[in-house]
Amino acid sequence: QVHLVQSGAEVKKPGAAVKISCQASGYSFTDHPIHWVRQAPGQRPEWMGWIIVNSGGTRYSQKFQGRLTITKDISARVVYMELTGLRSDDTATFYCARDGGTAWPHHGMDVWGQGTTVTVSS
Amino acid sequence: DIQMTQSPSSQSASVGDRVIISCRASQPIDTFLHWYQEKPGTAPRLLISGASGLQSGVPSRFSGSGSGADFSLTISSVRPEDFATYYCQQTYSTPYTFGRGTLLEIK
Repeated sequence: QVHLVQSGAEVKKPGAAVKISCQASGYSFTDHPIHWVRQAPGQRPEWMGWIIVNSGGTRYSQKFQGRLTITKDISARVVYMELTGLRSDDTATFYCARDGGTAWPHHGMDVWGQGTTVTVSS
Repeated sequence: DIQMTQSPSSQSASVGDRVIISCRASQPIDTFLHWYQEKPGTAPRLLISGASGLQSGVPSRFSGSGSGADFSLTISSVRPEDFATYYCQQTYSTPYTFGRGTLLEIK
């Protein structure tokens, strides 16, 4: 069974950073890129960026450029998403999601983590 | 950025109805268009990839069509478990963008 399991909920103050982990199981970890998606309450999902796990190549949405870093630990089968300079409008649920393809990450997201709620409040 | 426009924003339907949801891209995106179903408190679920590719385990009453800039998701006969929000997403170019969603409600 393919699973992505994310780390738990976070409460952060404005200006702080958050780092969320995404543990993969049940498939060949390096075969599929991983995306990160943010969803604020009542809003549409918002794509943040992806990582090609076997090469470490990344691409980020310009909206998060300079604040977002996606990394991986192949031996641990984990992908990380770090967002710095948190603001109140970063309060959202963050998801990791597996790309359905095994090359360029544009096949749709076929497996999702359970989501990690991040609350940014002073 | 490519804008994705979904219509309608909400729709009421009865069990057994045929439902069609539309999605238009602000520029041609070939078939790099995917459909997701989202229920409250859960992650989105991929239904259709590449405009018309039904994902494993998704009931055959769901189908997708279109290419270029105009796409649609059809539910041939709505069942109670289909009442949810549906999103389209393009992966033609980054940033990969989602539509605003279509809320399918029980009539």
